[in-house]
Amino acid sequence: DGGITQSPKYLFRKEGQNVTLSCEQNLNHDAMYWYRQDPGQGLRLIYYSQIVNDFQKGDIAEGYSVSREKKESFPLTVTSAQKNPTAFYLCASSMNAGTEAFFGQGTRLTVV
Amino acid sequence: EDQVTQSPEALRLQEGESSSLNCSYTVSGLRGLFWYRQDPGKGPEFLFTLYSAGEEKEKERLKATLTKKESFLHITAPKPEDSATYLCAVQPKYNFNKFYFGSGTKLNVKP
Repeated sequence: DGGITQSPKYLFRKEGQNVTLSCEQNLNHDAMYWYRQDPGQGLRLIYYSQIVNDFQKGDIAEGYSVSREKKESFPLTVTSAQKNPTAFYLCASSMNAGTEAFFGQGTRLTVV
Repeated sequence: EDQVTQSPEALRLQEGESSSLNCSYTVSGLRGLFWYRQDPGKGPEFLFTLYSAGEEKEKERLKATLTKKESFLHITAPKPEDSATYLCAVQPKYNFNKFYFGSGTKLNVKP
């Protein structure tokens, strides 16, 4: 079954800790994206990657980092520098830049 | 500044009561406008892409249309299973990777 898998579904973190969210796709898509969704707001782009070993900052990259060592994987690290990390995080992929994106089921991160 | 505004924020319909959702946008050259459906606690699901003014796309009870300043998602004779949040996003010509999303319209269809 082709798709995008995000894990874990729920994640709790203590203030000051880094945490990594996993995103894997088996759609053979080139482009991958990370978005953040807050209540009452639209999705905001954190990072995107068009090819392996290359990624670009989105509109709200501060306090986040990513890697793209394999085509299938695009993990997101939420660092302690992110001031307000509690949110719903969505990973997406598309065949190439600009075509429709397919989303994972999301990870809800809560800082306690 | 590229911006997307969706209205209304929330919409309650009776089953069978047709209506329209609005997505107004300002963007420095539109490459595409995308509609998604999102169920609570889930990721968005792709519905349509529109590329030029006058274009229309249909899928079951949904029809999306596009003008130079806005897009409409028309829902004909909705059913309770159409209840969800509907998101629109614009893609600018200057960067195909950047999608600007509206905050969505939460649709509730009562039986």
